[in-house]
Amino acid sequence: GAGVSQSPSNKVTEKGKDVELRCDPISGHTALYWYRQRLGQGLEFLIYFQGNSAPDKSGLPSDRFSAERTGESVSTLTIQRTQQEDSAVYLCASSLEGTRNTEAFFGQGTRLTVV
Amino acid sequence: AQSVAQPEDQVNVAEGNPLTVKCTYSVSGNPYLFWYVQYPNRGLQFLLKYITGDNLVKGSYGFEAEFNKSQTSFHLKKPSALVSDSALYFCAVRDGSAGNNRKLIWGLGTSLAVNP
Repeated sequence: GAGVSQSPSNKVTEKGKDVELRCDPISGHTALYWYRQRLGQGLEFLIYFQGNSAPDKSGLPSDRFSAERTGESVSTLTIQRTQQEDSAVYLCASSLEGTRNTEAFFGQGTRLTVV
Repeated sequence: AQSVAQPEDQVNVAEGNPLTVKCTYSVSGNPYLFWYVQYPNRGLQFLLKYITGDNLVKGSYGFEAEFNKSQTSFHLKKPSALVSDSALYFCAVRDGSAGNNRKLIWGLGTSLAVNP
């Protein structure tokens, strides 16, 4: 597609359930980021995938959070045993690194509400 | 370590006045610098970038930013603010040098309020 696509756009889940969020990056983009954003706040870095390098997972807040990416395509962010503090908007971004056209493009996000 | 600072949580300006949103950075190699805007309940939109070349870069919606290497700054500016510019602005940097960590580093954001 033309842009970064995230699904679902909204997710309401019960505390303790697992959720899976999906990100389709722009075709050919080598880098992919996941961020968490609480209302009116900044971007909280979660994880960074860059090509075939080992992902930078330094931002994952706990072992309940994990993410996978298959090659340079789709990525999924999984949150196990969700807690109310996990409620936020989860943003995905992709970029083409190694060139001048290196700005990141963001999806519209998944708004997660844990009740 | 790489870092970005946006020293002001909030900036208030009157419509028609010039605006400046400040950003300073620290990277070990060549800085690639970016500004993004986030309107309420919307995703982040790219405004402009500095990679190399002219220190003054122009972007979307009449915004511009000046790269100052000696002051390690990349302040966002607009000559005449509009009420519709009211939004959250984020500065980001990454190291453009080959072989270095290329992860984007973000500032915490500055909320811009333009008053009619």
